[in-house]
Amino acid sequence: DGGITQSPKYLFRKEGQNVTLSCEQNLNHDAMYWYRQDPGQGLRLIYYSQIVNDFQKGDIAEGYSVSREKKESFPLTVTSAQKNPTAFYLCASSEGAEAFFGQGTRLTVV
Amino acid sequence: DQQVKQNSPSLSVQEGRISILNCDYTNSMFDYFLWYKKYPAEGPTFLISISSIKDKNEDGRFTVFLNKSAKHLSLHIVPSQPGDSAVYFCAARDDKIIFGKGTRLHILP
Repeated sequence: DGGITQSPKYLFRKEGQNVTLSCEQNLNHDAMYWYRQDPGQGLRLIYYSQIVNDFQKGDIAEGYSVSREKKESFPLTVTSAQKNPTAFYLCASSEGAEAFFGQGTRLTVV
Repeated sequence: DQQVKQNSPSLSVQEGRISILNCDYTNSMFDYFLWYKKYPAEGPTFLISISSIKDKNEDGRFTVFLNKSAKHLSLHIVPSQPGDSAVYFCAARDDKIIFGKGTRLHILP
């Protein structure tokens, strides 16, 4: 089935460690996005990519990094520089107006 | 500064009545507006969109209205059903997609 896969669903890391969240899509979409959801904050844009080998910072890029080496994949690394990494992370892709989302990864840093 | 604003954090509506969710935006360069529905611990699901050149789009029980001069859009759900209880996000698109903070809709029996 076509779709967007985020893995794992739940992730735990110790403070000070970098962690990489996976996002894969088989929809052949050019554009991909990473958002973060916190209670009462809605979805805030971290990074987005409109084409392979190119990406731009969103509103809250500090402490995060991404790569877009393949069309299907847009991994997000949460670095130790991110002050409040515990959150629900959502990946999306789009071709045209609408974006389609994965099921999210809940990251907890202890 | 927020480019997409949903000023009502929550809304309660009687089952069978109309639910109206509102959204305001500041950037006149947005070319598409979208509404998503979200349950806890899940990704948002797309509901309906509207191009900036239209003023209305309808899909079943869902209708979106766009007032460009007021930079305002609204989502109407009629009749409201218990399964409509969720958080609804308004979003706007230029070269990226920006979301509002969401409105939690409660459908009362």
